[in-house]
Amino acid sequence: NAGVTQTPKFQVLKTGQSMTLQCAQDMNHEYMSWYRQDPGMGLRLIHYSVGAGITDQGEVPNGYNVSRSTTEDFPLRLLSAAPSQTSVYFCASRSRRNTEAFFGQGTRLTVV
Amino acid sequence: SQKIEQNSEALNIQEGKTATLTCNYTNYSPAYLQWYRQDPGRGPVFLLLIRENEKEKRKERLKVTFDTTLKQSLFHITASQPADSATYLCALKDSNYQLIWGAGTKLIIKP
Repeated sequence: NAGVTQTPKFQVLKTGQSMTLQCAQDMNHEYMSWYRQDPGMGLRLIHYSVGAGITDQGEVPNGYNVSRSTTEDFPLRLLSAAPSQTSVYFCASRSRRNTEAFFGQGTRLTVV
Repeated sequence: SQKIEQNSEALNIQEGKTATLTCNYTNYSPAYLQWYRQDPGRGPVFLLLIRENEKEKRKERLKVTFDTTLKQSLFHITASQPADSATYLCALKDSNYQLIWGAGTKLIIKP
Protein backbone atom coordinates (compact mmCIF):
# COMPACT_ATOMS: atom_id res chain seq x y z
CA ASN A 1 0.00 0.00 0.00
CA ALA A 2 1.92 3.05 -1.30
CA GLY A 3 -0.39 5.75 0.13
CA VAL A 4 0.21 9.12 -1.53
CA THR A 5 2.97 9.26 -4.14
CA GLN A 6 4.39 12.53 -5.43
CA THR A 7 6.85 13.02 -8.25
CA PRO A 8 9.36 14.48 -8.73
CA LYS A 9 11.01 14.95 -5.34
CA PHE A 10 13.20 17.82 -6.55
CA GLN A 11 12.86 20.17 -9.52
CA VAL A 12 14.60 23.28 -10.77
CA LEU A 13 12.80 25.45 -13.30
CA LYS A 14 13.67 28.59 -15.16
CA THR A 15 11.32 31.53 -14.94
CA GLY A 16 8.56 31.14 -17.48
CA GLN A 17 8.81 27.37 -17.83
CA SER A 18 5.81 25.19 -17.17
CA MET A 19 5.64 21.81 -15.50
CA THR A 20 3.31 19.35 -13.83
CA LEU A 21 3.72 17.92 -10.35
CA GLN A 22 2.22 14.47 -10.15
CA CYS A 23 0.20 13.09 -7.24
CA ALA A 24 -1.42 9.68 -7.00
CA GLN A 25 -3.13 7.89 -4.12
CA ASP A 26 -4.21 4.26 -3.88
CA MET A 27 -6.55 4.54 -0.88
CA ASN A 28 -9.68 5.42 -2.86
CA HIS A 29 -9.90 8.75 -1.04
CA GLU A 30 -12.47 11.24 -2.27
CA TYR A 31 -10.66 14.37 -1.09
CA MET A 32 -7.30 15.47 -2.48
CA SER A 33 -5.42 18.73 -1.90
CA TRP A 34 -2.29 20.57 -2.92
CA TYR A 35 -0.41 22.71 -0.41
CA ARG A 36 2.71 24.79 -0.49
CA GLN A 37 4.93 25.11 2.56
CA ASP A 38 7.21 28.10 3.00
CA PRO A 39 9.54 28.86 5.94
CA GLY A 40 7.74 30.38 8.90
CA MET A 41 4.32 29.83 7.36
CA GLY A 42 1.75 27.12 7.73
CA LEU A 43 0.75 24.88 4.89
CA ARG A 44 -1.27 26.97 2.46
CA LEU A 45 -3.96 25.39 0.33
CA ILE A 46 -3.55 25.88 -3.41
CA HIS A 47 -6.36 23.79 -4.90
CA TYR A 48 -8.48 20.92 -3.71
CA SER A 49 -10.90 18.33 -5.03
CA VAL A 50 -13.80 16.56 -3.35
CA GLY A 51 -14.11 13.94 -6.06
CA ALA A 52 -13.36 13.07 -9.66
CA GLY A 53 -14.34 15.91 -11.96
CA ILE A 54 -14.65 18.45 -9.13
CA THR A 55 -11.96 20.97 -8.21
CA ASP A 56 -11.94 24.25 -6.34
CA GLN A 57 -9.52 27.01 -5.42
CA GLY A 58 -7.84 27.29 -2.09
CA GLU A 59 -6.08 30.20 -0.45
CA VAL A 60 -3.28 30.71 -3.02
CA PRO A 61 -4.45 29.42 -6.43
CA ASN A 62 -2.92 31.99 -8.76
CA GLY A 63 -0.40 30.55 -11.20
CA TYR A 64 -1.57 26.96 -10.70
CA ASN A 65 -4.09 24.69 -12.39
CA VAL A 66 -5.42 21.30 -11.37
CA SER A 67 -7.64 18.60 -12.79
CA ARG A 68 -9.15 15.44 -11.33
CA SER A 69 -10.08 13.06 -14.11
CA THR A 70 -9.78 9.98 -11.87
CA THR A 71 -10.12 9.33 -8.15
CA GLU A 72 -6.45 8.34 -7.96
CA ASP A 73 -4.67 11.23 -9.68
CA PHE A 74 -4.53 14.96 -8.94
CA PRO A 75 -1.78 16.72 -10.93
CA LEU A 76 -0.75 20.30 -10.24
CA ARG A 77 0.33 22.41 -13.21
CA LEU A 78 2.51 25.48 -13.00
CA LEU A 79 1.61 27.53 -16.03
CA SER A 80 4.55 29.96 -16.17
CA ALA A 81 6.93 29.49 -13.27
CA ALA A 82 7.95 32.50 -11.20
CA PRO A 83 10.58 32.80 -8.44
CA SER A 84 7.72 33.37 -5.95
CA GLN A 85 6.66 29.79 -6.60
CA THR A 86 9.87 28.45 -5.11
CA SER A 87 8.55 26.30 -2.28
CA VAL A 88 7.94 22.78 -1.07
CA TYR A 89 4.72 21.33 -2.43
CA PHE A 90 2.68 18.64 -0.71
CA CYS A 91 -0.19 16.60 -1.98
CA ALA A 92 -2.62 15.15 0.55
CA SER A 93 -5.66 12.94 0.51
CA ARG A 94 -8.34 11.83 2.94
CA SER A 95 -11.61 10.00 2.83
CA ARG A 96 -14.90 11.82 3.15
CA ARG A 97 -15.75 9.99 6.37
CA ASN A 98 -12.36 10.35 8.03
CA THR A 99 -10.60 13.51 9.08
CA GLU A 100 -7.02 12.16 8.97
CA ALA A 101 -5.02 13.57 6.04
CA PHE A 102 -2.31 11.50 4.36
CA PHE A 103 0.57 13.35 2.75
CA GLY A 104 3.05 12.61 0.00
CA GLN A 105 6.77 13.07 0.54
CA GLY A 106 6.77 16.52 -1.03
CA THR A 107 8.34 18.20 -4.06
CA ARG A 108 11.02 20.81 -3.51
CA LEU A 109 10.72 23.28 -6.38
CA THR A 110 13.21 26.02 -7.14
CA VAL A 111 12.48 28.63 -9.79
CA VAL A 112 15.50 30.59 -10.97
CA SER B 1 -9.88 35.76 8.84
CA GLN B 2 -9.07 32.58 10.68
CA LYS B 3 -5.61 32.49 12.17
CA ILE B 4 -3.62 29.79 13.90
CA GLU B 5 -0.52 30.57 15.93
CA GLN B 6 2.16 28.22 17.12
CA ASN B 7 5.37 29.20 18.86
CA SER B 8 7.85 29.87 16.08
CA GLU B 9 10.85 29.44 18.34
CA ALA B 10 12.29 25.98 18.71
CA LEU B 11 11.52 24.25 21.99
CA ASN B 12 14.49 22.56 23.66
CA ILE B 13 13.63 19.89 26.22
CA GLN B 14 15.80 17.53 28.22
CA GLU B 15 15.22 13.84 27.56
CA GLY B 16 12.75 12.33 30.00
CA LYS B 17 10.92 15.60 30.65
CA THR B 18 7.47 16.56 29.40
CA ALA B 19 7.33 18.72 26.29
CA THR B 20 4.34 21.04 25.93
CA LEU B 21 3.48 22.76 22.66
CA THR B 22 0.81 25.42 22.20
CA CYS B 23 -1.66 26.10 19.41
CA ASN B 24 -3.79 29.25 19.59
CA TYR B 25 -6.47 30.25 17.14
CA THR B 26 -8.69 33.27 16.53
CA ASN B 27 -11.89 34.16 14.71
CA TYR B 28 -13.13 30.63 14.51
CA SER B 29 -14.99 27.92 16.40
CA PRO B 30 -13.63 24.68 14.97
CA ALA B 31 -15.46 21.39 15.30
CA TYR B 32 -12.12 19.68 15.81
CA LEU B 33 -8.38 20.25 15.94
CA GLN B 34 -5.62 17.94 14.72
CA TRP B 35 -1.94 17.53 15.54
CA TYR B 36 0.64 16.27 13.05
CA ARG B 37 4.33 15.46 13.17
CA GLN B 38 6.68 16.49 10.38
CA ASP B 39 10.24 15.26 10.00
CA PRO B 40 12.77 17.07 7.75
CA GLY B 41 12.16 16.32 4.07
CA ARG B 42 8.93 14.46 4.77
CA GLY B 43 5.23 15.17 4.70
CA PRO B 44 3.22 15.66 7.90
CA VAL B 45 1.96 12.54 9.66
CA PHE B 46 -1.30 12.53 11.64
CA LEU B 47 -1.02 12.03 15.39
CA LEU B 48 -4.22 12.97 17.20
CA LEU B 49 -7.59 14.60 16.71
CA ILE B 50 -9.63 16.24 19.45
CA ARG B 51 -13.23 17.38 19.02
CA GLU B 52 -14.79 20.52 20.44
CA ASN B 53 -16.76 18.56 23.04
CA GLU B 54 -13.64 16.75 24.29
CA LYS B 55 -11.38 18.29 26.91
CA GLU B 56 -8.54 15.81 26.63
CA LYS B 57 -7.31 13.00 24.38
CA ARG B 58 -4.49 10.55 25.02
CA LYS B 59 -2.45 8.21 22.87
CA GLU B 60 0.47 6.41 24.50
CA ARG B 61 2.86 9.20 25.63
CA LEU B 62 0.87 11.90 23.84
CA LYS B 63 -1.84 14.05 25.36
CA VAL B 64 -3.85 16.82 23.75
CA THR B 65 -6.15 19.28 25.48
CA PHE B 66 -8.67 21.61 23.86
CA ASP B 67 -10.01 24.73 25.56
CA THR B 68 -12.62 26.35 23.32
CA THR B 69 -13.01 29.26 25.75
CA LEU B 70 -9.33 30.15 25.57
CA LYS B 71 -9.22 29.08 21.90
CA GLN B 72 -6.17 27.01 22.64
CA SER B 73 -4.89 23.46 22.34
CA LEU B 74 -1.93 22.07 24.25
CA PHE B 75 0.07 19.09 23.00
CA HIS B 76 2.10 17.17 25.57
CA ILE B 77 4.75 14.50 25.10
CA THR B 78 5.63 12.79 28.37
CA ALA B 79 8.91 10.97 29.01
CA SER B 80 10.31 12.66 25.91
CA GLN B 81 12.96 10.92 23.81
CA PRO B 82 15.43 12.21 21.20
CA ALA B 83 13.33 10.36 18.59
CA ASP B 84 10.48 12.76 19.40
CA SER B 85 12.50 15.60 17.88
CA ALA B 86 10.51 16.95 14.95
CA THR B 87 8.25 19.82 13.95
CA TYR B 88 4.70 19.56 15.26
CA LEU B 89 1.82 21.17 13.37
CA CYS B 90 -1.72 21.89 14.46
CA ALA B 91 -4.61 22.20 12.04
CA LEU B 92 -8.28 23.21 12.18
CA LYS B 93 -11.14 22.43 9.84
CA ASP B 94 -12.61 25.53 8.22
CA SER B 95 -16.15 26.11 6.98
CA ASN B 96 -15.29 24.57 3.59
CA TYR B 97 -14.17 21.36 5.29
CA GLN B 98 -10.54 22.14 4.46
CA LEU B 99 -7.69 22.26 6.95
CA ILE B 100 -6.05 25.50 8.07
CA TRP B 101 -2.53 25.01 9.39
CA GLY B 102 -0.24 26.57 11.95
CA ALA B 103 3.41 27.13 10.97
CA GLY B 104 4.57 24.48 13.42
CA THR B 105 6.90 24.34 16.40
CA LYS B 106 10.26 22.62 16.16
CA LEU B 107 10.87 20.38 19.15
CA ILE B 108 14.40 19.33 20.07
CA ILE B 109 14.89 16.67 22.71
CA LYS B 110 18.41 16.65 24.08
CA PRO B 111 19.95 13.47 25.54
